[in-house]
Amino acid sequence: DAGVIQSPRHEVTEMGQEVTLRCKPISGHDYLFWYRQTMMRGLELLIYFNNNVPIDDSGMPEDRFSAKMPNASFSTLKIQPSEPRDSAVYFCASSLRGGGGYEQYFGPGTRLTVT
Amino acid sequence: KQEVTQIPAALSVPEGENLVLNCSFTDSAIYNLQWFRQDPGKGLTSLLLIQSSQREQTSGRLNASLDKSSGRSTLYIAASQPGDSATYLCAVRPGETSGSRLTFGEGTQLTVNP
Repeated sequence: DAGVIQSPRHEVTEMGQEVTLRCKPISGHDYLFWYRQTMMRGLELLIYFNNNVPIDDSGMPEDRFSAKMPNASFSTLKIQPSEPRDSAVYFCASSLRGGGGYEQYFGPGTRLTVT
Repeated sequence: KQEVTQIPAALSVPEGENLVLNCSFTDSAIYNLQWFRQDPGKGLTSLLLIQSSQREQTSGRLNASLDKSSGRSTLYIAASQPGDSATYLCAVRPGETSGSRLTFGEGTQLTVNP
């Protein structure tokens, strides 16, 4: 399996622009997570989905952030409008319920810089 | 609210040394605990997952133990190598009914010097 795939790997944008991050989970996994990592706050869970349905979005910082999962093999995290404080590494992870104990597998991350 | 603490925050050891990384959590009602490593500029790689009913898990030179009642887990690395240099994070999963949500510690940054 190719693992969790994220794109782009790096994104540099100007304040006010819309940013869309993409994730393809491991095939067959039924949970998908979006995290944000910064030096100041460490690793934060933003939102997670089960069977394409958002379960907990309490970590989404504000209305500028939105996430969708239109099907089992694709999810997006959108920031509109972006701000410099959104600069961070954004990770997508997926897991499978059952015997695997929900072990999470992370993608390589998208490093976002908002200038 | 579950809180996960990792001590020390940073550790530097000479190559070949055996070492222990510590993880503690405040709520012992966990479903399982997962150890990850993160290399600079990279994502997290799962190392070991210990179910709440287990005491330890082993993979190669790594051994993770879990004492759920005392809220502690340790990651033991035998015969450390420079390639083990990374940040190690532990994360706990509160319960199956909570889905797969993890609470992470801040990590221990390990440097193994040749």
